[in-house]
Amino acid sequence: SQKIEQNSEALNIQEGKTATLTCNYTNYSPAYLQWYRQDPGRGPVFLLLIRENEKEKRKERLKVTFDTTLKQSLFHITASQPADSATYLCALDDSGGGADGLTFGKGTHLIIQP
Amino acid sequence: KAGVTQTPRYLIKTRGQQVTLSCSPISGHRSVSWYQQTPGQGLQFLFEYFSETQRNKGNFPGRFSGRQFSNSRSEMNVSTLELGDSALYLCASSAPQGRGTEAFFGQGTRLTVV
Repeated sequence: SQKIEQNSEALNIQEGKTATLTCNYTNYSPAYLQWYRQDPGRGPVFLLLIRENEKEKRKERLKVTFDTTLKQSLFHITASQPADSATYLCALDDSGGGADGLTFGKGTHLIIQP
Repeated sequence: KAGVTQTPRYLIKTRGQQVTLSCSPISGHRSVSWYQQTPGQGLQFLFEYFSETQRNKGNFPGRFSGRQFSNSRSEMNVSTLELGDSALYLCASSAPQGRGTEAFFGQGTRLTVV
């Protein structure tokens, strides 16, 4: 069966360090993979999208890698700040993109400690 | 440009009642998707509408239904409410081409069934 796994435990990182979040999937062949940030009581906010033929994508302090052989994406936040504390969701798109094609992981709760 | 607007933000209903939630997508977006989010199951896809037609449907009972109007605004309806329907309901819209693009989420409607 299809499955998306993200670290279910909260991830505690010290301010200034790099936070690395993992998204593993099975029985999917996603054309795209997206990462979203969600704060309590609010809707997810898009961060980055990476295509299956891309190995890495960067945006400011964020970096995403996508390994279709390992069926894994890593999401990095460098020079982490307490304001980065949130739940981060990975979403796979195996139908071509757009909101209709997204299947979400359950998210990883990231806590950046001062 | 205004974001995705969902109304109401909070709702309390009694078991057996029905409820209608509303979503106004970003201007120009024709694809609207609905998700249910609970702590145990995470974000689960309900259905997607494009140009007033349901294009995709998740694995939810027939008590969950939706529609889209000619101005792309969408409503979802849940009939015969159950306690387990308590959740954050999120609506997302995406750009016309809907492929390989980000999803823009609203703030959600927090539904509590008592």
